[in-house]
Amino acid sequence: EAGVAQSPRYKIIEKRQSVAFWCNPISGHATLYWYQQILGQGPKLLIQFQNNGVVDDSQLPKDRFSAERLKGVDSTLKIQPAKLEDSAVYLCASSLAGGEAYEQYFGPGTRLTVT
Amino acid sequence: AQSVAQPEDQVNVAEGNPLTVKCTYSVSGNPYLFWYVQYPNRGLQFLLKYITGDNLVKGSYGFEAEFNKSQTSFHLKKPSALVSDSALYFCAVRVSYQKVTFGIGTKLQVIP
Repeated sequence: EAGVAQSPRYKIIEKRQSVAFWCNPISGHATLYWYQQILGQGPKLLIQFQNNGVVDDSQLPKDRFSAERLKGVDSTLKIQPAKLEDSAVYLCASSLAGGEAYEQYFGPGTRLTVT
Repeated sequence: AQSVAQPEDQVNVAEGNPLTVKCTYSVSGNPYLFWYVQYPNRGLQFLLKYITGDNLVKGSYGFEAEFNKSQTSFHLKKPSALVSDSALYFCAVRVSYQKVTFGIGTKLQVIP
């Protein structure tokens, strides 16, 4: 089966610019996650969708970050305006369902560099 | 609040020797525990999980992990390390109605 797809793989922008990341989860997976992974740290959950509804966005900096999952499949994560501290790898993951017993399947990530 | 600790930044082991990557956790409630592996420039890959039942869990690529409730640990093990096992390993924990929390990762270096 095809894995989680993400694009772009790399992005370099200047601070105060905007950027968007795209994710296509594994077919049939109802739950989609966006994580931020800063170098030397574990992934930090930004937002979790169940189908096209938001389950948890408590760690999403809502003044600059937004995400949507229209039609319950693909998702986009946007940063506007970007700050230097947003430099990180942004990981998308999906799982069959949102329960705590389900493992997550991760995409390759988008490495964002903000200069 | 839940937390995960991976006390070793790096573990070095000779090829063919047994390996252990340590993980301890702190939660309120029954934990669901996971191990993921990350190869360079790739996303995390699921290795194994503990939900309930047998404390010894077997996973992909010959890895296994032992759940120890009294020591709140979930150490990852493999009887014989391969050079190809060299990667970054993440332990993660989740309890009901909470988001998953990842550790900071342990770099495993298998020396030929």
